[in-house]
Amino acid sequence: SQTIHQWPATLVQPVGSPLSLECTVEGTSNPNLYWYRQAAGRGLQLLFYSVGIGQISSEVPQNLSASRPQDRQFILSSKKLLLSDSGFYLCAWARGQETQYFGPGTRLLVL
Amino acid sequence: AQSVTQLGSHVSVSEGALVLLRCNYSSSVPPYLFWYVQYPNQGLQLLLKYTSAATLVKGINGFEAEFKKSETSFHLTKPSAHMSDAAEYFCAVSDLRRRQGGKLIFGQGTELSVKP
Repeated sequence: SQTIHQWPATLVQPVGSPLSLECTVEGTSNPNLYWYRQAAGRGLQLLFYSVGIGQISSEVPQNLSASRPQDRQFILSSKKLLLSDSGFYLCAWARGQETQYFGPGTRLLVL
Repeated sequence: AQSVTQLGSHVSVSEGALVLLRCNYSSSVPPYLFWYVQYPNQGLQLLLKYTSAATLVKGINGFEAEFKKSETSFHLTKPSAHMSDAAEYFCAVSDLRRRQGGKLIFGQGTELSVKP
């Protein structure tokens, strides 16, 4: 069966510090991978998606970037965090056009 | 372009009462539709999905949804609410254009409260 991991689970960072959130998927190959952000009391905003190694599509201009160095690894990064980067970050995977399966999320608080 | 509208950001029902969460979609092609549930501080869990087979779809935890093309709706129902159903529910439509990488377009979510 497939599983998706995210870490860390919770992170508190000062404004201006760098960020690296990691997502890995087990039990499948060549998945589509997605990063979402969920701000408090709001819906999900798709940030990035990837259909293969090194292939990243950005949905909204922002302070964040994403990379996919391996088939089942998806990383969300920032060089300098802003207060507005606080939120709940969710990674998801899917096989083609099918259902997306979500990880447990990372709670990021920027102070 | 596809879109999803969830009517009501908050719905409150009594335990044992009918749950009805509304979702309307807009799509130029036959859609795939999904309902997800999110418990506090957790990821999203798939409740059910419609992929152009039977229009009445049964999911986990006693939930079901009916696809109505004429009304462009995909409302989620459960005959009898349980306290454990309190959560946030998201409706989503799949962007079926391959070049879009299988993206999902989510509604804003509906928070369900269940009163004892």
